[in-house]
Amino acid sequence: AQSVTQLDSHVSVSEGTPVLLRCNYSSSYSPSLFWYVQHPNKGLQLLLKYTSAATLVKGINGFEAEFKKSETSFHLTKPSAHMSDAAEYFCVVKSNTGKLIFGQGTTLQVKP
Amino acid sequence: DTEVTQTPKHLVMGMTNKKSLKCEQHMGHRAMYWYKQKAKKPPELMFVYSYEKLSINESVPSRFSPECPNSSLLNLHLHALQPEDSALYLCASSQDWGQAISGNTIYFGEGSWLTVV
Repeated sequence: AQSVTQLDSHVSVSEGTPVLLRCNYSSSYSPSLFWYVQHPNKGLQLLLKYTSAATLVKGINGFEAEFKKSETSFHLTKPSAHMSDAAEYFCVVKSNTGKLIFGQGTTLQVKP
Repeated sequence: DTEVTQTPKHLVMGMTNKKSLKCEQHMGHRAMYWYKQKAKKPPELMFVYSYEKLSINESVPSRFSPECPNSSLLNLHLHALQPEDSALYLCASSQDWGQAISGNTIYFGEGSWLTVV
């Protein structure tokens, strides 16, 4: 069975400093992995996805994630946080039936 | 264009009311979804339609009734809801359903905020 664990429920950074949101997954086959962002009172927006091509995936708004099979990780990073990055972030793995399996989410706070 | 449009954005209804949530996409996607999201929680899958047929019902109470009139539209009919049904209801769509197809991304709408009083 597939599962995903977001290792931090809350991350706080200062504007202009790097962002790291951690995600570990469990999958019995080569997974499809996604990061979605949800700004307050909004729907989910796709940041990036991994589908067994390049292990370093670049997304929107300067975010990227690296798929590491040996560590079963798919951490999300950004070199320099912006105030507009404050949001809820979900790491997601797609099950072999097509269902999305969500992590519990990480709240990113960006301080001025 | 990767847009999924949901209406209304906000809905307040009494426990005896009948209302509907609507969802539309023009990406040619053949799979459409309803999710329910409570505050500070990830979305939970409710229903999946594939090629206009109901493929998945995640044991959702019958007071929620989905309908897919055509490949672009998805409705969620609401009747005799309970206060605990108050939540954000998200519609989503993807090219296909049923397999972990590479690149088969699920796109979400902005959601409809439902309050049951």
